[in-house]
Amino acid sequence: GQNIDQPTEMTATEGAIVQINCTYQTSGFNGLFWYQQHAGEAPTFLSYNVLDGLEEKGRFSSFLSRSKGYSYLLLKELQMKDSASYLCAVSFSSNTGKLIFGQGTTLQVKP
Amino acid sequence: DGGITQSPKYLFRKEGQNVTLSCEQNLNHDAMYWYRQDPGQGLRLIYYSQIVNDFQKGDIAEGYSVSREKKESFPLTVTSAQKNPTAFYLCASSTDWYGYTFGSGTRLTVV
Repeated sequence: GQNIDQPTEMTATEGAIVQINCTYQTSGFNGLFWYQQHAGEAPTFLSYNVLDGLEEKGRFSSFLSRSKGYSYLLLKELQMKDSASYLCAVSFSSNTGKLIFGQGTTLQVKP
Repeated sequence: DGGITQSPKYLFRKEGQNVTLSCEQNLNHDAMYWYRQDPGQGLRLIYYSQIVNDFQKGDIAEGYSVSREKKESFPLTVTSAQKNPTAFYLCASSTDWYGYTFGSGTRLTVV
């Protein structure tokens, strides 16, 4: 199937660095998105990776390895407001633009 | 400003009642989607539409119905056949492979 796997929960300390992993099947892969979602709100776009490598955007970076079916979201200099769910979503060529979402990783940032 | 609007923000449904959730976008996006999110879980696809007057079932379409009579509008009806409708409903739109723009969501509760 087209399962997207990511850890359910993570905890980190304010000011630290945290890495959230996501794995997916490689067959038919088109691109991978990361979204941030605060409780009760809509997801907001963080990053989009289609080629191998690291994309950096301020405190957030996203990495992709197409051959390994692996991505991670790296959050640096953690702030309390980073406490949220982080959703990994994959676009497959067979799905004509439709995204398949992982279950989301709930990150709790502690003082 | 272009965007995607969902209404209402909160909705209460009595047992055996049909309710309709509104989703309107002025982004000129061809594709629109409806997702359901349960507490602590990821997004599950209910229905999607890639063009006016056409739509397809997603993974959990039973008990739901949609229409796509206009490009801007993609309303979702939660019918009495949906036995567990309490959830957070998200509408999204997209063009090509550039990911989704999400609405702010509707929280539906059965009373």
